[in-house]
Amino acid sequence: DVKVTQSSRYLVKRTGEKVFLECVQDMDHENMFWYRQDPGLGLRLIYFSYDVKMKEKGDIPEGYSVSREKKERFSLILESASTNQTSMYLCASSLRIYNEQFFGPGTRLTVL
Amino acid sequence: GENVEQHPSTLSVQEGDSAVIKCTYSDSASNYFPWYKQELGKRPQLIIDIRSNVGEKKDQRIAVTLNKTAKHFSLHITETQPEDSAVYFCAAIDPYQGGSEKLVFGKGTKLTVNP
Repeated sequence: DVKVTQSSRYLVKRTGEKVFLECVQDMDHENMFWYRQDPGLGLRLIYFSYDVKMKEKGDIPEGYSVSREKKERFSLILESASTNQTSMYLCASSLRIYNEQFFGPGTRLTVL
Repeated sequence: GENVEQHPSTLSVQEGDSAVIKCTYSDSASNYFPWYKQELGKRPQLIIDIRSNVGEKKDQRIAVTLNKTAKHFSLHITETQPEDSAVYFCAAIDPYQGGSEKLVFGKGTKLTVNP
């Protein structure tokens, strides 16, 4: 059974803080993704990675960076958090792009 | 890049009725179309997917149809039940030639099944 876990369910940070969101999957999946979910906007891809130390920008990468030092772990970094980054962040992993994406439980981030 | 439009944004049906959600995509090279269901407070989960070499796929009360000429695909749920109430997302592969392929999601449809 695939398990994707995220480091926090809820997080409150202040404007300007550096924020780390971590995602770990235990199924040896090649692909990992970070999405942002906002009401009425669906799931928007921030960054993705198809291999260790590889990363590609998604549709809304501005203000974010990522790190993938190990296959099972994919971190999302907000270098200087802003209030417009208040959102639900979902991590996902898949074996291949044409396979099911398994999502984590999400991190609801509030930036004050 | 790929653009996926999803309609309607909300849908309310009576238990036992059918529900249809439609998505259109922009890139004719797209060849994979999954549907995800997200129940309230839970993570999205794949419920069905279709590839471009197939026109229709069924799984019990759920079916997906694909019209490549018109560039649209639809989710059909028959004999709806209250547990079908959720947000449904369609998606399509963005066959971006300058980088790696990725999924692009529609904005979602909130389906409510009234008992």
